[in-house]
Amino acid sequence: QVQLLQSESELKKPGASVKLSCKASGYIFNEFAVHWVRQAPGQGLEWMGWINTATGDPTSAPGFTGRFVYSLDTSVTTAYLQISSLKAEDTAMYYCAREDSYGADSFDLWGQGTMVTVSS
Amino acid sequence: QSVLTQPPSVSGAPGQRATLSCTGSNSNIGAGYEVHWYQQLPGTAPKLLIYGDNNRPSGVPDRFSGSKSGTSASLTITGLLAEDEADYYCHLFDSGLGAAVFGGGTKLTVL
Repeated sequence: QVQLLQSESELKKPGASVKLSCKASGYIFNEFAVHWVRQAPGQGLEWMGWINTATGDPTSAPGFTGRFVYSLDTSVTTAYLQISSLKAEDTAMYYCAREDSYGADSFDLWGQGTMVTVSS
Repeated sequence: QSVLTQPPSVSGAPGQRATLSCTGSNSNIGAGYEVHWYQQLPGTAPKLLIYGDNNRPSGVPDRFSGSKSGTSASLTITGLLAEDEADYYCHLFDSGLGAAVFGGGTKLTVL
């Protein structure tokens, strides 16, 4: 079954770090880039960046540099998003998404999302 | 403030047609970058509805269609159903900038 399975919800204190995972299955992992999208409570979708699963090269959107690190473990077909120095405003649902198989740069497969709550 | 502007809300009666707009500029939609549309039902992950301006992935009903003209794109839903009530987002990847952008989203209410 073609899917992206994300890790469970996280509750963290301000200043802590969190590493989210996104495990791909049912397709050839290194043929499709993985993107990360944030959705704050009650808000819209915000593109964070992406990682080239063939080379491991990450690209961050402005505003998602520094504290946000994108990585891979191709041996387990998993992409990761690590966020350090967590702030209350990082509280959001984080989605991973696959860049499409149509060559159109859309996101044709999404994970179910990981909710990160940052609270003291 | 997104570079792609969507009306916050649109409503329509069951069976009617709803048109959701996504307005960009000459540097994105007007430059020819393809627009994609997603449906996000409450409490769920977004789902690709339209890719490449006007193409439907397998399994998406033909009640959903996309179009583009100038610096704007539109998603049209015909024969509205209660289950269409959701948030809809437009999206494009600006390969010149190497960055993707989403519109702010439109909440569709089926009256």
